[in-house]
Amino acid sequence: NAGVTQTPKFQVLKTGQSMTLQCAQDMNHEYMSWYRQDPGMGLRLIHYSVGAGITDQGEVPNGYNVSRSTTEDFPLRLLSAAPSQTSVYFCASSYGQQGNEETQYFGPGTRLLVL
Amino acid sequence: QQQVKQSPQSLIVQKGGISIINCAYENTAFDYFPWYQQFPGKGPALLIAIRPDVSEKKEGRFTISFNKSAKQFSLHIMDSQPGDSATYFCAAEGGGADGLTFGKGTHLIIQP
Repeated sequence: NAGVTQTPKFQVLKTGQSMTLQCAQDMNHEYMSWYRQDPGMGLRLIHYSVGAGITDQGEVPNGYNVSRSTTEDFPLRLLSAAPSQTSVYFCASSYGQQGNEETQYFGPGTRLLVL
Repeated sequence: QQQVKQSPQSLIVQKGGISIINCAYENTAFDYFPWYQQFPGKGPALLIAIRPDVSEKKEGRFTISFNKSAKQFSLHIMDSQPGDSATYFCAAEGGGADGLTFGKGTHLIIQP
């Protein structure tokens, strides 16, 4: 199993540009989520999905869109990038939501710089 | 409103010593408390987790102590090794909260 994979590893955008961060998992996990990590801030939940066709907002959803057309993929879209979105983005997945003691597996991250 | 407060921000411990990281939470509905370990350039990885029906959980050199009445939990790393040098995050989930709520992290350095 490749686990959770993310592409690209690093991206530079100009303000106003759009892009999609890709996330895929091959563990047949139902639950997937996106977090952003900023220095001194820990990780904050952006969006999550409990299964194909179902998504919901987390703590910091503004400026981001998600969709879940398949169990395996959970892309994160930045519609109009802003410098405040400069961050490291992590995708994670698990069989169920964490409260059921399901281990949440994180991808290696995408480092995004918005100029 | 920060729902999980973690301290210290950074910690330096001598090899063989005990590393202690503390977290406090506000939401009494939280019912799952994991600790994550993150190395530079990598994603966080689950280290150990506890539910509030037990006061302590031990896995190898890593122990979680949980105080439900004080709404606090801590990670103890016994016989700390240079390979334990990493950033550690506490987290909490449950009670209808979406996903994990993380503390801000502790940068741990184990000096040889």
